[in-house]
Amino acid sequence: SQQGEEDPQALSIQEGENATMNCSYKTSINNLQWYRQNSGRGLVHLILIRSNEREKHSGRLRVTLDTSKKSSSLLITASRAADTASYFCAQRVGGGFKTIFGAGTRLFVKA
Amino acid sequence: GAGVSQSPSNKVTEKGKDVELRCDPISGHTALYWYRQSLGQGLEFLIYFQGNSAPDKSGLPSDRFSAERTGGSVSTLTIQRTQQEDSAVYLCASSGTGDHPGNTGELFFGEGSRLTVL
Repeated sequence: SQQGEEDPQALSIQEGENATMNCSYKTSINNLQWYRQNSGRGLVHLILIRSNEREKHSGRLRVTLDTSKKSSSLLITASRAADTASYFCAQRVGGGFKTIFGAGTRLFVKA
Repeated sequence: GAGVSQSPSNKVTEKGKDVELRCDPISGHTALYWYRQSLGQGLEFLIYFQGNSAPDKSGLPSDRFSAERTGGSVSTLTIQRTQQEDSAVYLCASSGTGDHPGNTGELFFGEGSRLTVL
C-alpha cells in the first residue's frame, strides 16, 4: 500500500472469539483511524487514536498504538457474525488532512 | 442529504470513452478525497482537496485522470479515454478541517461509483 501494511490479509474465526488485526505504517502520523467496509462500497469510521495516545476503547473495540514500532492493532472482542467485513487502518500524514489507507484485513466470523 | 452523495452508482462504458463521476460532500466539509478500490483490494489514494489550497494530485495514476472541485463543494473526477484497467469502485469522502477540539478529521464516505470498462 502507499503508506503501510496490514496483517493478516484475511482472518476466519468462530463467533465469540476475539479478532486481532495489525497495521504498520511508514512515516510519522498525526493520528491513526480504523474503518470498516461491509460490501465493497462506503467505509464507516470506527475509532481514532491520536499519536500521543497508546490505547483506546470503544465498546467491543480496543485499539493500541506503538509509535516507536510504527504499528497499531485493532482487537474486536466477543466477535459476532455481523462483524464480518473488511477492516482498514488509515493514517493522516503531513501537515494537512491527507489520509492514506492500508490494504485491509478481511474478517469472516462464522456463526 | 446529510451524507456524501456520489453519482452514478454504476457506470458501464466502452474502452476509449470519457467518464465523469460526481461527488457531493457533506455541507461545510472543507476537505474532499477521491480513492480507487479494485476488487478485493485496499483504497488507492487519488487526489485530495483542502479548502482553497492547490489539490494534492500525487495519487492520480496517469494524465487521463483529472478532478476539480467547484465552489469548494461538488467535485467531479474525469477519466479520459478509459481503459479496462480503470474498472474499479471510485470512492469519495469528505471531512471537516476546522481547528476545534471535536474535529478529528474523520472521513465520511459515499457509497462509491462502480465503473466497468468493456
